[in-house]
Amino acid sequence: EPEVTQTPSHQVTQMGQEVILRCVPISNHLYFYWYRQILGQKVEFLVSFYNNEISEKSEIFDDQFSVERPDGSNFTLKIRSTKLEDSAMYFCASREQGFDTEAFFGQGTRLTVV
Amino acid sequence: GDSVTQMEGPVTLSEEAFLTINCTYTATGYPSLFWYVQYPGEGLQLLLKATKADDKGSNKGFEATYRKETTSFHLEKGSVQVSDSAVYFCALSDHASGGSYIPTFGRGTSLIVHP
Repeated sequence: EPEVTQTPSHQVTQMGQEVILRCVPISNHLYFYWYRQILGQKVEFLVSFYNNEISEKSEIFDDQFSVERPDGSNFTLKIRSTKLEDSAMYFCASREQGFDTEAFFGQGTRLTVV
Repeated sequence: GDSVTQMEGPVTLSEEAFLTINCTYTATGYPSLFWYVQYPGEGLQLLLKATKADDKGSNKGFEATYRKETTSFHLEKGSVQVSDSAVYFCALSDHASGGSYIPTFGRGTSLIVHP
């Protein structure tokens, strides 16, 4: 069964460093998303990506964040200068065309900023 | 804007008890509704979905019915097992959200099932 793949599964970084979280969405999907889940809290929307551009973003997704789909298969989230409060589980998701289709989620990357 | 409200957890039950997790929503359009489950240390998995009023989604003994009149999508299971212990997220995807159909999640409800 096709699945969304995220790497790495766990990343530890020092405050102020840049990190890149990687995702390989399901191949025929058109919509891509990044979500964040701080430990024990709600799943928060960060950004959606369609047709090679950001279609929507939340207030969390400030200038420190960027996304790219560099080669037609990978979908990356970059945090330019990490802060302690960026520590969270980051989930990538993708979905097919259509409002009634479900989003498929990856297993997540646990980011720890020290 | 769109939002999803779930009952507070944790919900603690004995094995074979009946489960209800309440979920209500607010949407500007005509949303599709989903329940996702997150087992400890894992990602989000789709449990079931419903795309129009009065649709019933079901999977692994869980059911939820799309009630437009009460804007609700409550999750039920007749007899829970220890292996059902997880966090359950109600979510919607709204046709009116500019075409991105961004899934919007509730806060999640933790279910703990004791033997």
